[in-house]
Amino acid sequence: GIQVEQSPPDLILQEGANSTLRCNFSDSVNNLQWFHQNPWGQLINLFYIPSGTKQNGRLSATTVATERYSLLYISSSQTTDSGVYFCAVATWTGANSKLTFGKGITLSVRP
Amino acid sequence: GAGVSQTPSNKVTEKGKYVELRCDPISGHTALYWYRQSLGQGPEFLIYFQGTGAADDSGLPNDRFFAVRPEGSVSTLKIQRTERGDSAVYLCASSSPGTSGNEQFFGPGTRLTVL
Repeated sequence: GIQVEQSPPDLILQEGANSTLRCNFSDSVNNLQWFHQNPWGQLINLFYIPSGTKQNGRLSATTVATERYSLLYISSSQTTDSGVYFCAVATWTGANSKLTFGKGITLSVRP
Repeated sequence: GAGVSQTPSNKVTEKGKYVELRCDPISGHTALYWYRQSLGQGPEFLIYFQGTGAADDSGLPNDRFFAVRPEGSVSTLKIQRTERGDSAVYLCASSSPGTSGNEQFFGPGTRLTVL
């Protein structure tokens, strides 16, 4: 099956700093999503981005599908950005688009 | 509803007991997925429904696990003869294939603890 690797595994930032989170995947994908898992375990949708670039406030994401990677940018980080960030991908098999998740990146933003 | 809901939020049971976990997807979403997340790991796929039928159950770990979606909306994940290794957070997601490119939206999960 498809493999998803996220880096770095852990990241510690001072409030106000910028960061880049990376997701590499091993096959062509039809679906790529970035999630933030908050301390209560809820997966919050950040981006649906199988290709191209999107921005939402301080967050932006870019997926280069031909090179099989995606980047999540966090600017001017805040303590509320802390948590685990997951990249998840899917290859289209019929109508099923089951997601394969990476192991996540644990971000800690210090005040 | 506004989002995916799951009940109960927490379930503690004893080894060997039967449990049912419920998922109520976003209204109008035809696709429904169950995932399981163990501590320190990303969620892993269990089963996928398109409408009422289980289109892909390849992620179910063994025959103690079963899921239904009889009316194409609410789904129930059933676990028989629970084992301590079944302890995890069980997540449900729904999507609307053909719109938004099949972006999946997750519920808050059910934390299952088997003693």
